[in-house]
Amino acid sequence: SQTIHQWPATLVQPVGSPLSLECTVEGTSNPNLYWYRQAAGRGLQLLFYSVGIGQISSEVPQNLSASRPQDRQFILSSKKLLLSDSGFYLCAWSGLDAGSTDTQYFGPGTRLTVL
Amino acid sequence: GENVEQHPSTLSVQEGDSAVIKCTYSDSASNYFPWYKQELGKRPQLIIDIRSNVGEKKDQRIAVTLNKTAKHFSLHITETQPEDSAVYFCAAISDGTPLVFGKGTRLSVIA
Repeated sequence: SQTIHQWPATLVQPVGSPLSLECTVEGTSNPNLYWYRQAAGRGLQLLFYSVGIGQISSEVPQNLSASRPQDRQFILSSKKLLLSDSGFYLCAWSGLDAGSTDTQYFGPGTRLTVL
Repeated sequence: GENVEQHPSTLSVQEGDSAVIKCTYSDSASNYFPWYKQELGKRPQLIIDIRSNVGEKKDQRIAVTLNKTAKHFSLHITETQPEDSAVYFCAAISDGTPLVFGKGTRLSVIA
């Protein structure tokens, strides 16, 4: 079966500091990978998605970037955090090993607080 | 691109009553419609989904209906229980695109 991991689980960072969040998927190959942000009490905002190594699509212009250095690894980064970057960051995957490339499965999330 | 509207944004029901959440979509090419449940502080989890070649699907106390002509789909929860309290998200997808989510419905089941 497939498992998705995210770390860290929680993070408190000062404004202007860098950010690196990591997501890895086990038990599948060539998954589609997604990064979402969820502000407190709000919906799911798609930030980036990737259909393969080095292939990144950006949905929202911002000070964040994403990279996919390996097939099952997805990294979200920022050079300088803003207060508005606070939120719950969710990684998700989809793929044929789950029966369909349509269904997305979410990781446990990283709760980021920027002070 | 696809746009998904979800209503209501909040819903309170008495324990044992039914709850209905409705979503509309704009892209007639959309062919897959999942529903996710998100408990406080947790990740969204898939609870039921439906494809465009099916009009209704049931799984115990939850069901989803799809009206392709009107481009809307609904989540029905019967005999609600306190553990059904959560935020529910609908979504839609057409081939080759990521899921587009509604803004969510906060369901409160009052004991």
